[in-house]
Amino acid sequence: EIVLTQSPGTLSLSPGERATLSCRASQSVSDSYLAWYQQKPGQAPRLLIYGASSRATGIPDRFSGSGSGTDFTLTINRLEPEDFAVYYCQRYDNSPYTFGQGTKLEIK
Amino acid sequence: QVQLVQSGDEMKKPGASVKVSCKASGYTFTTYGMSWVRQAPGQGLEWMGWITTYNGRTKYAQSLQGRVTITTDTSTSTVYMELRGLTSDDTAVYYCARTLPPDYWGQGTLVTVSS
Repeated sequence: EIVLTQSPGTLSLSPGERATLSCRASQSVSDSYLAWYQQKPGQAPRLLIYGASSRATGIPDRFSGSGSGTDFTLTINRLEPEDFAVYYCQRYDNSPYTFGQGTKLEIK
Repeated sequence: QVQLVQSGDEMKKPGASVKVSCKASGYTFTTYGMSWVRQAPGQGLEWMGWITTYNGRTKYAQSLQGRVTITTDTSTSTVYMELRGLTSDDTAVYYCARTLPPDYWGQGTLVTVSS
């Protein structure tokens, strides 16, 4: 079973800065079937990125994804106050469609 | 518009079973499969299983195999998730989520297991 490890566990930044979140897979993720989600307290997750680098509908272009194989990155440019949340990656190439443990992005 | 509406919160005793429903609307139900994902209090997301809605084929997380069953009723565009042998570790918010990767999510159903 592929394990997804996200780092850092917590990232403290200020609005206007750039956030770089990492998701590392224990084995290669086929066809870059890797997604990123944002979750705020009391809400369901929201799809941000699919196919490692494609933005979902309505997602601002300050969110970008990159990577392939075992190493993936979510970058958020010019952080807005509403971007502070928990972010998860998920593989969806083969079952089990596991999630990473999450990165909490908090205001510094 | 796409909507996934889940059944209400549940309180169960250890050893009991729970069945959560997820009614879909706003799209052709059998075009998209459905996942179930749960989140224990203060914890991360855990993928539980998947159903292909047009033929009922399922996939389950190894950790839940034997305790979870996902079914579908195409006549009502509803997906069900049943979890048996509940323990306090199953206390969580349970979400249904459309397709892979999930683009629409239900509102969540809190299942509390307590004696």
